[in-house]
Amino acid sequence: EVQLVESGGGLVKPGGSLRLSCAASGFTFNNAWMSWVRRAPGKGLEWVGRIKSKIDGGTTDYAAPVKGRFTISRDDSKNTLSLQMNSLKIGDTAVYYCTASLTFGMDVWGQGTTVTVSS
Amino acid sequence: SYELTQPPSVSVSPGQTARITCSGDVLGENYADWYQQKPGQAPQLVIYEDSERYPGIPERFSGSTSGNTTTLTISRVLTEDEADYYCLSGDKDNPWVFGGGTKVTVL
Repeated sequence: EVQLVESGGGLVKPGGSLRLSCAASGFTFNNAWMSWVRRAPGKGLEWVGRIKSKIDGGTTDYAAPVKGRFTISRDDSKNTLSLQMNSLKIGDTAVYYCTASLTFGMDVWGQGTTVTVSS
Repeated sequence: SYELTQPPSVSVSPGQTARITCSGDVLGENYADWYQQKPGQAPQLVIYEDSERYPGIPERFSGSTSGNTTTLTISRVLTEDEADYYCLSGDKDNPWVFGGGTKVTVL
């Protein structure tokens, strides 16, 4: 079964850091482009960033609001995607989803992990 | 930054047709996808590359693009189609951007 399971969410103070992980199973992880998408309370979906497969260069792209603060990485040996979030702001409070692009678009999604930034 | 504009809400009666538009300056030059999100669930891919239905998605869902507007059409709407719908596309500086989302209400 194709599956993505996020972990690492929690409560953090403004200015703090948090690292999210996403465990992938049921597909060839190292071939997939992986992304993070978030949904803040009362708002719509927001693409956070992505990392390409190593065969496609392994490069990363980020949305403007998180560029310079968030870092996406992958460990193909462990089928794991990570999102390191630094200098967190209240506006980063959201459910964070891990996604995989296996065939078209973002066709596999995890169930999400909640990040709350509050003092 | 790149913006994709969707209507905040669309209301439709069961059995009728719902059309959700998404407009962006260069939508005609780049493919768009559509995602559905129901309350308490993760989003799922409905349409990719403007008009291709993702496997397992009912034929009632279709997509089309004209100029810089892409449209998701839901024919013969069912109550189970009530959800938030988002378009996704990008430009040369912004790989992927979601539209603001459209809440479809089935009356």
